[in-house]
Amino acid sequence: GDSVTQMEGPVTLSEEAFLTINCTYTATGYPSLFWYVQYPGEGLQLLLKATKADDKGSNKGFEATYRKETTSFHLEKGSVQVSDSAVYFCALRTGANNLFFGTGTRLTVIP
Amino acid sequence: GAGVSQSPSNKVTEKGKDVELRCDPISGHTALYWYRQSLGQGLEFLIYFQGNSAPDKSGLPSDRFSAERTGGSVSTLTIQRTQQEDSAVYLCASSLGGRNTEAFFGQGTRLTVV
Repeated sequence: GDSVTQMEGPVTLSEEAFLTINCTYTATGYPSLFWYVQYPGEGLQLLLKATKADDKGSNKGFEATYRKETTSFHLEKGSVQVSDSAVYFCALRTGANNLFFGTGTRLTVIP
Repeated sequence: GAGVSQSPSNKVTEKGKDVELRCDPISGHTALYWYRQSLGQGLEFLIYFQGNSAPDKSGLPSDRFSAERTGGSVSTLTIQRTQQEDSAVYLCASSLGGRNTEAFFGQGTRLTVV
């Protein structure tokens, strides 16, 4: 069935370091792909999305490219800040409109 | 309303009791999702509604769990004969139809079974 496999955490980085969180997916058809973020004490919110192959989603300095050939949607940021500390979830939306999430990756950025 | 509303925000119940969790989606959103988030864990899919019907209820952990949606709006998740392992945060999300649309989440109901 459709599923998302996400890099296990937790991840701890120093401020201004480069971030990559890996996400791969299994899906029939052509899913849409999302990254959601959950800041401490807050609800989940959309960070970025990509709806077709080779699309790049971007927001707040984060980027992810929909790679159909490798079934991946890795999240990257060139220079993380303390305020980026959160849990990040990769998700896919199937043709049947269901929405599946990965297990989440906790990122801690230290000054 | 302005966003997805869930009630109650916190619920403490005794083992063996039944509980009902409510979700008010954003007006006009046809898709509604329930998830469970246990401490330190990811989002476990429970059930998905499109309108009032549930095309996918494969994530419900046991027959103690059920959900319904009426009028294409409010949804209720019911857990019968609660067990301690049911303790978690139950999250609801809604979206417009279409696979490209964003899902909006409520703040969740934190359920504690003692």
